[in-house]
Amino acid sequence: NAGVTQTPKFRVLKTGQSMTLLCAQDMNHEYMYWYRQDPGMGLRLIHYSVGEGTTAKGEVPDGYNVSRLKKQNFLLGLESAAPSQTSVYFCASSYSRVVETQYFGPGTRLLVL
Amino acid sequence: AQSVTQLDSHVSVSEGTPVLLRCNYSSSYSPSLFWYVQHPNKGLQLLLKYTSAATLVKGINGFEAEFKKSETSFHLTKPSAHMSDAAEYFCVVSDRAMSGNEKLTFGTGTRLTIIP
Repeated sequence: NAGVTQTPKFRVLKTGQSMTLLCAQDMNHEYMYWYRQDPGMGLRLIHYSVGEGTTAKGEVPDGYNVSRLKKQNFLLGLESAAPSQTSVYFCASSYSRVVETQYFGPGTRLLVL
Repeated sequence: AQSVTQLDSHVSVSEGTPVLLRCNYSSSYSPSLFWYVQHPNKGLQLLLKYTSAATLVKGINGFEAEFKKSETSFHLTKPSAHMSDAAEYFCVVSDRAMSGNEKLTFGTGTRLTIIP
């Protein structure tokens, strides 16, 4: 039981490049989330999904897109990376409602030059 | 609207002494409250949560927190700090809004340093 895994662990991009971050969970959770963590700030929700085939915007969705084609996977895409997207990205999942315990992945550190 | 304030960005305690990490919240509805811990270069892990049952909540690794509605506080405590407690701690609030549109709001974190 690996829990929540994220790929890659670290990435450097140039401004304007695109990339996809992959999150996978093996706990059969319905809800999945993408957060970003910036220095001196708490985690902020980018997008989330309440089930396979669904996605919804969170607090800071601009510049990101997501897809949930399979229940166990949640992809976060950056179409045209900007330096402001330099951050640590965390994926999380929960069994059902938001107030249930969320299980976090180890994070992806992204640097946009 | 909901918000959470962690009153200290950095707390240092000596090993074996008590730990107190302070958190105040604001919520329009009956809140759920959480404490998460993040060790260096790791994801967040749930320490404990309050969801309207007992006001004194016990978590993992000897931590506990008390929900005080009159003070809108949910402070995290531990009687005796251990070196392995060194980490970043996040207080989190979620309104159980009538609409069901629940969301988590994270505090800015408190970095706990343990002095040998």
